[in-house]
Amino acid sequence: AQSVTQLDSQVPVFEEAPVELRCNYSSSVSVYLFWYVQYPNQGLQLLLKYLSGSTLVKGINGFEAEFNKSQTSFHLRKPSVHISDTAEYFCAVSEISGSRLTFGEGTQLTVNP
Amino acid sequence: GAGVSQSPRYKVAKRGQDVALRCDPISGHVSLFWYQQALGQGPEFLTYFQNEAQLDKSGLPSDRFFAERPEGSVSTLKIQRTQQEDSAVYLCASSPYGQGLNTEAFFGQGTRLTVV
Repeated sequence: AQSVTQLDSQVPVFEEAPVELRCNYSSSVSVYLFWYVQYPNQGLQLLLKYLSGSTLVKGINGFEAEFNKSQTSFHLRKPSVHISDTAEYFCAVSEISGSRLTFGEGTQLTVNP
Repeated sequence: GAGVSQSPRYKVAKRGQDVALRCDPISGHVSLFWYQQALGQGPEFLTYFQNEAQLDKSGLPSDRFFAERPEGSVSTLKIQRTQQEDSAVYLCASSPYGQGLNTEAFFGQGTRLTVV
């Protein structure tokens, strides 16, 4: 079984500031890693994913994440945020041989002017 | 359609009422998933279909929950005798890949169920 811990439930930042949303996972087997974004009253949209290869993954909307196997982390970063980045962000894992996603509890990112 | 479609978007049910939630996956997608998202929480897995076969229903919280995908496309999640703790957003997702090849799931907008 896997578990995901998102270390911050809320992250307030000012517009154009950098941001990091932290995610740690636990699993006894190899996993795929994902970040999803959820805008109010919307479904989940994939930001980026790590399957294999380079540990630095670039996604949509200027986001990137780095897979650190030794620290079992997959933190999400953006060098300069916009008001429109305000949303809930979910980190998720999936066993390579499985199908279901296991999600963290989410981090609410609020970008203030 | 271009994406995963769920209906209704909102459902208010009286306690004890039966409800049916519908999911239209992306055409041709092999895998279909149902997740339950309680307020302020991350989604939690309910069940998984590969075509018409329900391969995993370990996340269904009780025998009041039942899901089907009889022709391998549209799926229905049915909740019998709804209770207040069933209030949540129910998300459907589909993927072009079968089990063991899960690299991306496309989510619908969800159905918000409120049991009063």
